[in-house]
Amino acid sequence: KQEVTQIPAALSVPEGENLVLNCSFTDSAIYNLQWFRQDPGKGLTSLLLIQSSQREQTSGRLNASLDKSSGRSTLYIAASQPGDSATYLCAATGANSKLTFGKGITLSVRP
Amino acid sequence: EAGVVQSPRYKIIEKKQPVAFWCNPISGHNTLYWYRQNLGQGPELLIRYENEEAVDDSQLPKDRFSAERLKGVDSTLKIQPAELGDSAVYLCASSPWDSQETQYFGPGTRLLVL
Repeated sequence: KQEVTQIPAALSVPEGENLVLNCSFTDSAIYNLQWFRQDPGKGLTSLLLIQSSQREQTSGRLNASLDKSSGRSTLYIAASQPGDSATYLCAATGANSKLTFGKGITLSVRP
Repeated sequence: EAGVVQSPRYKIIEKKQPVAFWCNPISGHNTLYWYRQNLGQGPELLIRYENEEAVDDSQLPKDRFSAERLKGVDSTLKIQPAELGDSAVYLCASSPWDSQETQYFGPGTRLLVL
């Protein structure tokens, strides 16, 4: 059974700082790895999707990497802004497009 | 393009009462998912539909939960009777047949059972 872990559960940084969010998974037989953003009281918004054959994906100030062999993914946020404050969840996609989510990291960017 | 629509957004009920949640997926999306997200946790899949067929309901507590997707469009998730531990956010998501790895989530229904 796939298990996805995100540590720490919460992170607070000053505005402008570059930061890395970590995600680990136990079963390397994944189709892809996704990073989602969740704002309070809202649903999930997909940020980046990395296929199992890829090593990284970039979108604006966000860069996600994937190392299947070690069961790790990272989300890099450059020049963080207060508007980046949210909960970030990673999810590993297994057979039948089933997503297994981590518990998320709640990020607070201080002005 | 309208996103996934869910209603109600919030629901407060007493334990042992029934409750139902409604989801309208993005037009043309044949795959529909119901997830439950407990406080401080990631979403967990309850049931997945391909058109009107439930293809994965292994995580649905069938003693009290039921779901339907008549005509393969909108869907209803029901709990009867509700228990205190059912308090959570219930998320609906949908994906198109040709890109099932991309799921679009609705805003969720926040349920509080007293």
